[in-house]
Amino acid sequence: KQEVTQIPAALSVPEGENLVLNCSFTDSAIYNLQWFRQDPGKGLTSLLLIQSSQREQTSGRLNASLDKSSGRSTLYIAASQPGDSATYLCAVRPRSGGSNYKLTFGKGTLLTVNP
Amino acid sequence: DVKVTQSSRYLVKRTGEKVFLECVQDMDHENMFWYRQDPGLGLRLIYFSYDVKMKEKGDIPEGYSVSREKKERFSLILESASTNQTSMYLCASSPPGPGNTIYFGEGSWLTVV
Repeated sequence: KQEVTQIPAALSVPEGENLVLNCSFTDSAIYNLQWFRQDPGKGLTSLLLIQSSQREQTSGRLNASLDKSSGRSTLYIAASQPGDSATYLCAVRPRSGGSNYKLTFGKGTLLTVNP
Repeated sequence: DVKVTQSSRYLVKRTGEKVFLECVQDMDHENMFWYRQDPGLGLRLIYFSYDVKMKEKGDIPEGYSVSREKKERFSLILESASTNQTSMYLCASSPPGPGNTIYFGEGSWLTVV
C-alpha cells in the first residue's frame, strides 16, 4: 500500500530564506507526483505536476524535483515571502492496482515565513 | 483558468438531516471527485465519477452517496447526517487519463450538531 510522508510537519523561516520541503513515498510505481498549496480554510491549489519520466519542474520561485527510484520529491522555494505561508501537500498517482485515479496524499508541511 | 465551484462554503445541519453538497466545474472534465479532510487524517477519497451516471467508491463511502446527472455537476449526499461527518469536504475534477493535473474547489465546511 502506497504511503506518502512529509517531513517536517511544520517549518518556520525568516523572510528571504531559501527552503526545501520533502516528500517521500513507498511505492515507486507512479504516474506522477503533484505539489499543492492550501491556505487556512481553503481548498488546494495545484503548484507543480511532475510526470514519472521527468526529473524536475519549475514555476517562478518554485522548483520541484523527483527521484522515483529512491521515492523522494523536494519542493524548493527561493527567496521566501510571508505570502508563501501555507500548508504544502504532495500527492502521488499510482501506476499499479488499476486505481490510477486514486491519489495518495501526504499530511502536509505547514510553512510559516516570518517578516 | 479551471474553476471548480462548491456552492456552499459553510453549513450547519442537524443530526439525521439529509444534506446535499453541490460541485460544478467549467472545464468539461470527465473525472470528478469528493474528498473529506480531517486533522491528522489528511485527505480521504469518498467517491469518484469518471462519466455521467458513473461512479466508484473511494476509501470511505459509508454514509455517503453521489449523483452525476450532468457532466459538469457532481453532488455528494449525506442521507442521514451524523456528528462524525463534521468535516471539510473538497470537490475536485480532472481530464481523463492518469497524467493530468487535478483541480480542487474551495471546500465546504460542514458542521453536524
